[in-house]
Amino acid sequence: SAVISQKPSRDICQRGTSLTIQCQVDSQVTMMFWYRQQPGQSLTLIATANQGSEATYESGFVIDKFPISRPNLTFSTLTVSNMSPEDSSIYLCSVRGDRERRTGELFFGEGSRLTVL
Amino acid sequence: DAKTTQPPSMDCAEGRAANLPCNHSTISGNEYVYWYRQIHSQGPQYIIHGLKNNETNEMASLIITEDRKSSTLILPHATLRDTAVYYCIVRVDNYGQNFVFGPGTRLSVLP
Repeated sequence: SAVISQKPSRDICQRGTSLTIQCQVDSQVTMMFWYRQQPGQSLTLIATANQGSEATYESGFVIDKFPISRPNLTFSTLTVSNMSPEDSSIYLCSVRGDRERRTGELFFGEGSRLTVL
Repeated sequence: DAKTTQPPSMDCAEGRAANLPCNHSTISGNEYVYWYRQIHSQGPQYIIHGLKNNETNEMASLIITEDRKSSTLILPHATLRDTAVYYCIVRVDNYGQNFVFGPGTRLSVLP
């Protein structure tokens, strides 16, 4: 299994500001994912963060709004830029290490709950 | 990936078996059925997955119909800590990149 730590766990932000969320994994993983969960909704994939290459964004999500870094195999950041109240969500980091490729199991962090005023 | 249909909510008495259904009538031959759950304020947790055969682990059992168009997740002895949203997901293979989460079933285990 993989242990995933996210920071911050929660934050209250002002409209127009940006916030960077950090995701640290206790083992090296090939693929990391960032999900968004809006209030009362299910999870939506924002992007796949791959070490050594640019992140791959899903439809409806763009790099200017959600820039992602992946400097190594254990760490990634997601920035929510120029925030508006509509960005109030839980942002979740997820990983699938190479050991889990056979089962396809994903591990999730506890999430970062953002409230934008 | 195939679309799944789950009831929005279910109740279960503590200590009884919880049977959570999932319809995936358009599933293709190489798509697996995965189950995750999300306890309030936590990230989703993997439960079990299968292709054709029924599967069992320490958490649950997965029953897949012979035509693979539906499945049932069974929690044999539900506890209050099993109260969560349960997601049924089908995807092409073990190495695909994306899990598409539907709205899931909100299971309430009642004392």
